[in-house]
Amino acid sequence: KAGVTQTPRYLIKTRGQQVTLSCSPISGHRSVSWYQQTPGQGLQFLFEYFSETQRNKGNFPGRFSGRQFSNSRSEMNVSTLELGDSALYLCASSRGQTGSYNEQFFGPGTRLTVL
Amino acid sequence: GENVEQHPSTLSVQEGDSAVIKCTYSDSASNYFPWYKQELGKGPQLIIDIRSNVGEKKDQRIAVTLNKTAKHFSLHITETQPEDSAVYFCAASPGTPLVFGKGTRLSVIA
Repeated sequence: KAGVTQTPRYLIKTRGQQVTLSCSPISGHRSVSWYQQTPGQGLQFLFEYFSETQRNKGNFPGRFSGRQFSNSRSEMNVSTLELGDSALYLCASSRGQTGSYNEQFFGPGTRLTVL
Repeated sequence: GENVEQHPSTLSVQEGDSAVIKCTYSDSASNYFPWYKQELGKGPQLIIDIRSNVGEKKDQRIAVTLNKTAKHFSLHITETQPEDSAVYFCAASPGTPLVFGKGTRLSVIA
């Protein structure tokens, strides 16, 4: 069975621009979570979507937003990019909501570089 | 909220030796503790997990122990091999999204 896919794998943007990242979860999985990974901060939770509804949100500014479609695919958007947004953005899917012993499976990530 | 501390941040072992990575958590409501392995250029991969009603779980060369009283859990890798070299993350879930430790870079020297 296919794993979690993320597109694009690499992105280079300049400050002030906006970016949209895409995630396709494992078939049958209804929950999609997004994480930001940086060398200094590790893996930080951005938000989780389950059945097209945002269920949890991390401590990130409103420039970071997301959505989930009826087929469980998810997108996240970052507006007004800052240099500090350079990171690996990881998407993870699970069958049910996170917690409750639901295993999360990660995609390969999108490497975003902001110049 | 939950806070997960992970030690050590780097670990070098000789091939064939054992490696131990330790994590502590702060929220006694956490009931699920997965471990992930991340290789260069890839996303984290779940390698083993443990639930709060279990004290130990083993899968071939990998084992995880959980001490709920002390709020710590550990990953044990025996007979290490070069392909075990990677970054390992522990995480805890208090019924909300996973909270991750900062990671341990394990190097297995042949």
